[in-house]
Amino acid sequence: EIVLTQSPGTLSLSPGERATLSCRASQSISSSYLAWYQQKPGQASRLLIYGASSRATGIPDRFSGSGSGTDFTLTISRLEPEDFAVYYCQQYVSSPITFGQGTRLEIK
Amino acid sequence: QVQLVQSGAEVKKPGASVKVSCKASGYTFNSYGISWVRQAPGQGLEWMGWIRVHNGNTNYAQKLQGRVTLTTDTSTSTAYMELRSLISDDTAVYYCARIPNWGEEYFDLWGRGTLVTVSS
Repeated sequence: EIVLTQSPGTLSLSPGERATLSCRASQSISSSYLAWYQQKPGQASRLLIYGASSRATGIPDRFSGSGSGTDFTLTISRLEPEDFAVYYCQQYVSSPITFGQGTRLEIK
Repeated sequence: QVQLVQSGAEVKKPGASVKVSCKASGYTFNSYGISWVRQAPGQGLEWMGWIRVHNGNTNYAQKLQGRVTLTTDTSTSTAYMELRSLISDDTAVYYCARIPNWGEEYFDLWGRGTLVTVSS
């Protein structure tokens, strides 16, 4: 099973700042089969990034994904108030599908 | 409107079973897959399994093998997740999610979740 470790656990930033979230895998994720999701209380989770760097439909271009192998990054270039949420990475290169434990992005 | 609408909250006793539904609308149900993911209180996301709607093929997480069954009803565009022999650790919000591309099992559409509480 591939274990995904996200860091930091909590990130405190202000609107307008840049956010960098990390996801590290216990083994290499070939074909960059890694996705990022945003989760807010009471709402359906939202796919942000798939294939490590492809933005999902309707996702603003302030969200970007990068990385390969075992190290992946989600970057939010300029934080908007609606971006404060919990973010999860997910690998789908092998079964079982696994998620990271999440990064909480909170308003400073 | 493209969406997945899940059934309401459930309270079950240990040892019982629960069946959660997920009704799809706004897209061709047979052309996608459905996965189920759960989230225990204050915890992260745990993948449970997926089902290919067009042929019924399934893949379950080893941890839940034998206790979980995923099915679909194409006549109503509804997916179901049944979990048996419930224990307190099964208390969680259960989500259905759409798989857009086979061979790349990420999830592009999620339901809002169904809270299942297991308590005596």
